[in-house]
Amino acid sequence: QVQLQQWGAGLLKPSETLSLTCAVYGESFSGYYWSWIRQPPGKGLEWIGEINHSGSTNYNPSLKSRVTMSVDTSKNQFSLKLSSVTAADTAIYYCARGNLVVVPAAIEFYWYFDLWGRGTLVTVSS
Amino acid sequence: SSELTQDPAVSVALGQTVRITCQGDSLRSYYASWYQQKPGQAPVLVIYGKNNRPSGIPDRFSGSSSGNTASLTITGAQAEDEADYYCNSRDSSGNHLGVFGGGTKLTVL
Repeated sequence: QVQLQQWGAGLLKPSETLSLTCAVYGESFSGYYWSWIRQPPGKGLEWIGEINHSGSTNYNPSLKSRVTMSVDTSKNQFSLKLSSVTAADTAIYYCARGNLVVVPAAIEFYWYFDLWGRGTLVTVSS
Repeated sequence: SSELTQDPAVSVALGQTVRITCQGDSLRSYYASWYQQKPGQAPVLVIYGKNNRPSGIPDRFSGSSSGNTASLTITGAQAEDEADYYCNSRDSSGNHLGVFGGGTKLTVL
C-alpha cells in the first residue's frame, strides 16, 4: 500500500530553519509532483511548493525566498527547508503526491493530490 | 490569476443535496480537485478531473465545472459529511503554481 511518512522537528525558535522529510513507500518516485502544503491553526491550506524526481522545483512566490526543496531518489524521499521562521510559520505541514494529467485530445488538464502524509505540527516560539 | 474563492460556510439538512462552489480564472484551464478535511485529520481527495471519485469515496459526491466555476455536489448529505471542503487548482498563467480555495465549512443539520 502506498503511503507517505513524514518527520521533522516540531518546535523551533524564531530565525531557525524548519526541516522536514517525507518518505514514499510502495510506489515509484517518478512521474509525480512531490509537494508540501501547510495549514496554520484554524486556517486553510496553503501550497508551499513541489519537486519532481529529477529535482525540478516550483515554489509559492510568497515563500520562495526562504524555501528549498530537495529529493533523494535512492531513498524515495523528498525534503523541505524553510529558513528564518517566525510565528507566522506555525502550522501543520503536510507532504502530498501531486498528479498532473493532460488529455491532449480533449485539451483537458487535471491536477490533484491523491496521497497525503499525516502532517507534522511545527510550532515557532521563543 | 491564482486565486480560488469559496463561500466560508454552507449548511444542508440531513438527506438533502448541497452544492459547494469554487471560482477562479485557473478553472478555465484546469479542472478543480476537491478535498474533505475533518478535525484533526489530513485532507482526503474526494473529486478530481471532470468528475472522478477515488476508490472508497461514496457516489453521493460528484463534481462539475462551467467556465470559471467548479462545483462539488453532495446528493443526500449524511452526518459524516460534515467537514471542511477545499478546492484546488493550478495557476493557468504558466507559472506552475498550486492554489487552494479558502475552504467551506459544511454543516449537516
